[in-house]
Amino acid sequence: GEDVEQSLFLSVREGDSSVINCTYTDSSSTYLYWYKQEPGAGLQLLTYIFSNMDMKQDQRLTVLLNKKDKHLSLRIADTQTGDSAIYFCAETHGQGGKLIFGQGTELSVKP
Amino acid sequence: EAQVTQNPRYLITVTGKKLTVTCSQNMNHEYMSWYRQDPGLGLRQIYYSMNVEVTDKGDVPEGYKVSRKEKRNFPLILESPSPNQTSLYFCASSLLTGGETQYFGPGTRLLVL
Repeated sequence: GEDVEQSLFLSVREGDSSVINCTYTDSSSTYLYWYKQEPGAGLQLLTYIFSNMDMKQDQRLTVLLNKKDKHLSLRIADTQTGDSAIYFCAETHGQGGKLIFGQGTELSVKP
Repeated sequence: EAQVTQNPRYLITVTGKKLTVTCSQNMNHEYMSWYRQDPGLGLRQIYYSMNVEVTDKGDVPEGYKVSRKEKRNFPLILESPSPNQTSLYFCASSLLTGGETQYFGPGTRLLVL
């Protein structure tokens, strides 16, 4: 069935780059997303990529998609303490909008 | 401002006491859904609705009910809450064909004693 996997924790130093990885099983995924959840807050859509793209860049964020390996990554350049949060990878077929989420990766940024 | 609102934001209740969590969106979206978030499990879909009077089960529907009498509202009903329904609940909405943008509410934290 549909499955999305992420590692649970990542710790980096302020100013370094962070790379959060995600794998998925459904080859019919049409959109893949990265959401950010700060402590006590809701989900904020960070960025998304359509399945026919390999890369998308948006300021400090770079999304890479390897469809062959079903691997998605989010790179945050010059990571700041304000980037500390849980990051969720999610995918959808685009039919009806159901999102399949990974478990979330908790990013800890140390000064 | 385009938004999804949920009420209440926090709720403590006891086993068996019926409760309703409301969800409303002001974007004229056809698609609305409910998710629950549990540690280590991410978010899992409870129920969804593709339009007024059209609802269907998600991955974890047991113990929940929903209704969609109006396009903007999609309440989540727990007829007889149990402790295993203690969780963080999110409502979301989107255009039916607009897969690229899903809007989430701020979340409702529920504790069932």
